[in-house]
Amino acid sequence: KNQVEQSPQSLIILEGKNCTLQCNYTVSPFSNLRWYKQDTGRGPVSLTIMTFSENTKSNGRYTATLDADTKQSSLHITASQLSDSASYICVVSPMDSNYQLIWGAGTKLIIKP
Amino acid sequence: DAGVIQSPRHEVTEMGQEVTLRCKPISGHDYLFWYRQTMMRGLELLIYFNNNVPIDDSGMPEDRFSAKMPNASFSTLKIQPSEPRDSAVYFCASSPFQGAGVNTEAFFGQGTRLTVV
Repeated sequence: KNQVEQSPQSLIILEGKNCTLQCNYTVSPFSNLRWYKQDTGRGPVSLTIMTFSENTKSNGRYTATLDADTKQSSLHITASQLSDSASYICVVSPMDSNYQLIWGAGTKLIIKP
Repeated sequence: DAGVIQSPRHEVTEMGQEVTLRCKPISGHDYLFWYRQTMMRGLELLIYFNNNVPIDDSGMPEDRFSAKMPNASFSTLKIQPSEPRDSAVYFCASSPFQGAGVNTEAFFGQGTRLTVV
């Protein structure tokens, strides 16, 4: 069964610190893996999209990595800011189903001043 | 472009009533998706349209749910009759291209928070 699991469920860090969020998936084969940021009360916003052949993608202070062999991805946030407080969701697109995205449950990140 | 626009932002209704959620996708986008988000189940795809035509509604929970897209700039999701277990945030998203490539980014609206009491 196609699954996407994220860890930790929640994380609290101090402003200015770095953090790394994890995503493990069983979707295979897959065409791309995405990370979304969802602020409270808002819709998800795409941060990065990586194809199965890419192993890193950056978007400002956000850097996503992908290891297709171990079926793991991580999202690293550098020099966190209060505005980074949000849920971060890992999403995998199966190769055989263009529209059916497999969504993780998300990691709730809280940045404290 | 103002992005995907959903209305209303919040809806509180009594069990048994009809509820209609509305969505205006980004102009020029060929694909429109309706999602439901709950704490228990996360984001679930309900139905999606391509060029105003429903392609897959297998995610629609039951016959009480229906969705239409009468034209390229408007879609509705209707629940009749509504039940308390329908309480969730409903998102509409649109995409300019659907496929397995990196261009398939979906742009989400701000959602409609539905509470059925």
